[in-house]
Amino acid sequence: GAGVSQSPRYKVAKRGQDVALRCDPISGHVSLFWYQQALGQGPEFLTYFQNEAQLDKSGLPSDRFFAERPEGSVSTLKIQRTQQEDSAVYLCASSLAGTGSNEKLFFGSGTQLSVL
Amino acid sequence: AQRVTQPEKLLSVFKGAPVELKCNYSYSGSPELFWYVQYSRQRLQLLLRHISRESIKGFTADLNKGETSFHLKKPFAQEEDSAMYYCALRGWRGNEKLTFGTGTRLTIIP
Repeated sequence: GAGVSQSPRYKVAKRGQDVALRCDPISGHVSLFWYQQALGQGPEFLTYFQNEAQLDKSGLPSDRFFAERPEGSVSTLKIQRTQQEDSAVYLCASSLAGTGSNEKLFFGSGTQLSVL
Repeated sequence: AQRVTQPEKLLSVFKGAPVELKCNYSYSGSPELFWYVQYSRQRLQLLLRHISRESIKGFTADLNKGETSFHLKKPFAQEEDSAMYYCALRGWRGNEKLTFGTGTRLTIIP
C-alpha cells in the first residue's frame, strides 16, 4: 500500500458514546504503535504491538481505552464512554522490524476525534 | 522516566539565516534521539536520527551527552523548511516507545 492508512479521518462523538478507530499498517510491518496528540502537544504513546501481541499498554489513560490487533495486521483502538478530554488526534505508526531495532516509524494521517 | 523538552513553541527565521531548534532530554541510560517533521497538510515523518550521523535537507543534529541536548541546525534556512518539528527519544533497548517533545513551529520569512 501507499502507507499507513487510518479511518475515519474525522470522528465527532457525543459524550458517553463508544468509538472505534482503525489502522491499516504498511503490509509486512511487524510493529504497530498508537499515539494520542492533544492540541498544541506532541504525540503521546498509548500502546505498542509486535505482530498480534500487545507488548506495552502503559500509555493507555484509562480502562475505557482498549486496543487490539488480532491477526497481526489491522489494529483497532476502541474508546468506551468517550469524555471531552479524549478529544485529540489519534496517530498510528508502523515499522518493519520488532524489538531492539532502530527501524524508522511510518505514521498515518491520524483520526481527529472531537467529543461534544 | 524519559522526557524531551523543546523550549521554543514558535521560531521565525529569515530565509538564508541559520536555524537552530533546541531539544533537551532526560533519560537515565543511553538514548536514541530523533527529529521528526510535519509539513503543512502532510503526515509526521522522520527527518533524521543521531545514530545515522546523517544530514537530511541540509539539517544536522549532534547528540551532546554532557548537556543532554540534541539541537537541530541548518546553516541557511529555506522557505520550504517551514514546518512543525518534534524531537523524540527512545530508550536504547527493550523499550520501543518514542517520547516526543511538544514541538517547535518554524516559520521561514521570505
